[in-house]
Amino acid sequence: NAGVTQTPKFQVLKTGQSMTLQCAQDMNHNSMYWYRQDPGMGLRLIYYSASEGTTDKGEVPNGYNVSRLNKREFSLRLESAAPSQTSVYFCASSPRGTSYEQYFGPGTRLTVT
Amino acid sequence: KNEVEQSPQNLTAQEGEFITINCSYSVGISALHWLQQHPGGGIVSLFMLSSGKKKHGRLIATINIQEKHSSLHITASHPRDSAVYICAARGVSYNTDKLIFGTGTRLQVFP
Repeated sequence: NAGVTQTPKFQVLKTGQSMTLQCAQDMNHNSMYWYRQDPGMGLRLIYYSASEGTTDKGEVPNGYNVSRLNKREFSLRLESAAPSQTSVYFCASSPRGTSYEQYFGPGTRLTVT
Repeated sequence: KNEVEQSPQNLTAQEGEFITINCSYSVGISALHWLQQHPGGGIVSLFMLSSGKKKHGRLIATINIQEKHSSLHITASHPRDSAVYICAARGVSYNTDKLIFGTGTRLQVFP
């Protein structure tokens, strides 16, 4: 039982490049989330998916897109990376929404130069 | 002003001390989470509570809904408790299913 897995762990991009962060969970959870964590700030929600087939914007969605590929997988895409997107990205899942325990992936450290 | 505030921002303790970390919030909430972020960066959930008190080992979390305040206590602290502790609130007024996170309390416990 791997829990929540994320790939890659580290990535360096040049401004304007694109990439997709992958997230998968094996706990049969309905809800999945993408957060970013920046120094001195709390975790901020980028996008979430309450259930398979649905996605919604969070606090900071600009510059990102997501896909809930199936119940297990929730990917985050940066179409044209900018230095402001340098951050640590966490994927999380929960059985059904934020009134349930949250399970986090190990994080992806992204640097955009 | 953030909707979720934690205090203190940084805390140092000697092994064995009793630790208290505070979280206050300015909106009505339906649930409050306490999370632990390890020095390596991984985040684990410690508690989710909507009323009263929960205990797990040496950790105790309490919440007072009327006073909009929650505390995380660590009894008999140990160096392995060194981490960042984060509280996050699920607001009743939010029209999206999201958490608002505090900025964390960095705890260092010295032997």
